[in-house]
Amino acid sequence: QKEVEQDPGPLSVPEGAIVSLNCTYSNSAFQYFMWYRQYSRKGPELLMYTYSSGNKEDGRFTAQVDKSSKYISLFIRDSQPSDSATYLCAMSGEYGNKLVFGAGTILRVKS
Amino acid sequence: DAGITQSPRHKVTETGTPVTLRCHQTENHRYMYWYRQDPGHGLRLIHYSYGVKDTDKGEVSDGYSVSRSKTEDFLLTLESATSSQTSVYFCAISEGTSEAFFGQGTRLTVV
Repeated sequence: QKEVEQDPGPLSVPEGAIVSLNCTYSNSAFQYFMWYRQYSRKGPELLMYTYSSGNKEDGRFTAQVDKSSKYISLFIRDSQPSDSATYLCAMSGEYGNKLVFGAGTILRVKS
Repeated sequence: DAGITQSPRHKVTETGTPVTLRCHQTENHRYMYWYRQDPGHGLRLIHYSYGVKDTDKGEVSDGYSVSRSKTEDFLLTLESATSSQTSVYFCAISEGTSEAFFGQGTRLTVV
């Protein structure tokens, strides 16, 4: 079993929809949680970064962490075609420690 | 991009030949990482460095070696390339807060 599980999709939604992306994990030592967005043939870019449990909002993006359930989510409101990309969750347990990634979810927003 | 340059960006090499990929940063970050990305696997850590001449293995280190003689440069070497090492390689840097920033990637094909 992988440490981090993420549904690879693809997830296809109409423009304007609310998108929910999720990851589950098995290592209770994880404390730092991140979401990256990756466009085709580009490097991943950091979208959201949270520490421990709770919510964090940035514009149309909201990240949620539920450590009791070992479950993290990324919500995208008013989705746009430009949001079409692969979204990767990542997490780590200690300061400066290596990140463990999910396999990534392919999102397609149709205009 | 966060001051990370990978070279070369594309390379085709023959089985059994040595290959070196270079990652150069201008951010003076302490931590540097090499990941490979393959369909269905997300990003998997090959090796990482937590300082000059300080390196450690990741989950897929077999067949790879690294060196870091200066803060700004992290080299990944495939001593004898195999077809299974055909992949996209990403370098990342971090200042230890667990947020990692990625380069644009190197697409390596071993024929």
